[in-house]
Amino acid sequence: AQKITQTQPGMFVQEKEAVTLDCTYDTSDPSYGLFWYKQPSSGEMIFLIYQGSYDQQNATEGRYSLNFQKARKSANLVISASQLGDSAMYFCAMREGGTSYGKLTFGQGTILTVHP
Amino acid sequence: DAGVIQSPRHEVTEMGQEVTLRCKPISGHNSLFWYRQTMMRGLELLIYFNNNVPIDDSGMPEDRFSAKMPNASFSTLKIQPSEPRDSAVYFCASTPSLVTYEQYFGPGTRLTVT
Repeated sequence: AQKITQTQPGMFVQEKEAVTLDCTYDTSDPSYGLFWYKQPSSGEMIFLIYQGSYDQQNATEGRYSLNFQKARKSANLVISASQLGDSAMYFCAMREGGTSYGKLTFGQGTILTVHP
Repeated sequence: DAGVIQSPRHEVTEMGQEVTLRCKPISGHNSLFWYRQTMMRGLELLIYFNNNVPIDDSGMPEDRFSAKMPNASFSTLKIQPSEPRDSAVYFCASTPSLVTYEQYFGPGTRLTVT
């Protein structure tokens, strides 16, 4: 079974609009972390935001926020006021505890295109 | 401060040749990860080290792949012999410790095996 599922292969948004990128996860571990990374066309991986499973508040970093719904096992990324530079591939990832601590499992990614 | 350094940035080689990818983690980071990215399989963790010791190599595809971390500032990923299906972008990432949540990625090495 997929541990991280990103169901949107591609998304389009108008500049200055908000966009939500979906991510669902599967784990039985009570302690885990959820991450979002951005990969622009240049290829580097850029860390955006982190949410711990015990965090009470949704994580926010500037224009990025993580809509964490634990019961639904979803960790959607919300980008407010989209900019042309936000056009990139976005990956959701999870880190579980136990013997695999430190290991990140990535979803397949969502390509975001921001239109002017 | 310098980020994670990978070399070479691009490598083109013929099937059957040995390939060595190199990584220098950020100074002071004790954990190092090797990932492979392909269109078909996405981003996969191959192996990771903590304090120079391999912790989990379950992602290494087969015996042709090997990785070492002889000291805290250097790691190699070797493929011998290489095959066309090994063509991918290989990323190295480092983090201060396994409990730190952000992994800092290098620019990647684009490997093409013909």
